[in-house]
Amino acid sequence: AAGVIQSPRHLIKEKRETATLKCYPIPRHDTVYWYQQGPGQDPQFLISFYEKMQSDKGSIPDRFSAQQFSDYHSELNMSSLELGDSALYFCASSLLRGGVNEQFFGPGTRLTVL
Amino acid sequence: SQQGEEDPQALSIQEGENATMNCSYKTSINNLQWYRQNSGRGLVHLILIRSNEREKHSGRLRVTLDTSKKSSSLLITASRAADTASYFCVVGGTSYGKLTFGQGTILTVHP
Repeated sequence: AAGVIQSPRHLIKEKRETATLKCYPIPRHDTVYWYQQGPGQDPQFLISFYEKMQSDKGSIPDRFSAQQFSDYHSELNMSSLELGDSALYFCASSLLRGGVNEQFFGPGTRLTVL
Repeated sequence: SQQGEEDPQALSIQEGENATMNCSYKTSINNLQWYRQNSGRGLVHLILIRSNEREKHSGRLRVTLDTSKKSSSLLITASRAADTASYFCVVGGTSYGKLTFGQGTILTVHP
């Protein structure tokens, strides 16, 4: 069965640079979520999209923005990167129309900011 | 969604033994999910139990839910070294949206 695809899997950036993370949800899933997991931390919700519209927002810095495109893939854009942005970034998708918020996670993008 | 609290924070057992992890929550729920995360890797959805269910099985996993006590347990039978991971419970309310993860239970299975 198709899973959530994230790219790239690893990314190394310098401080103040920008990064773009991509997420391809499971086909026919209508909702995409982004989570950030710092070293030794539990995953923290950043932002979500339902049918290409932002549906919820968590503790996402103003330097970050995200969108969901017509083909349902999503991109998380991170600007003015800081050392503290080094983390695992997960994308998850679910089919909310199915009535249950069962989220399926991608393998994550490991971002390292030097 | 509200946060579930896992207990214990860490569990260390020998291969072949059973592992039991518990989760408590505070308000009424629609469903409860368990996820596994191997060190530094992705989150894997293990099982979802709805509020009108009391027990659910999936392979070597058994999940129970007691809504009167606002608690759930995850039992892994005949554990293997590959079961070594962090286990998170996530409680789902009547509204959909983000998942709120707790600190999880770190399970170590020694060969």
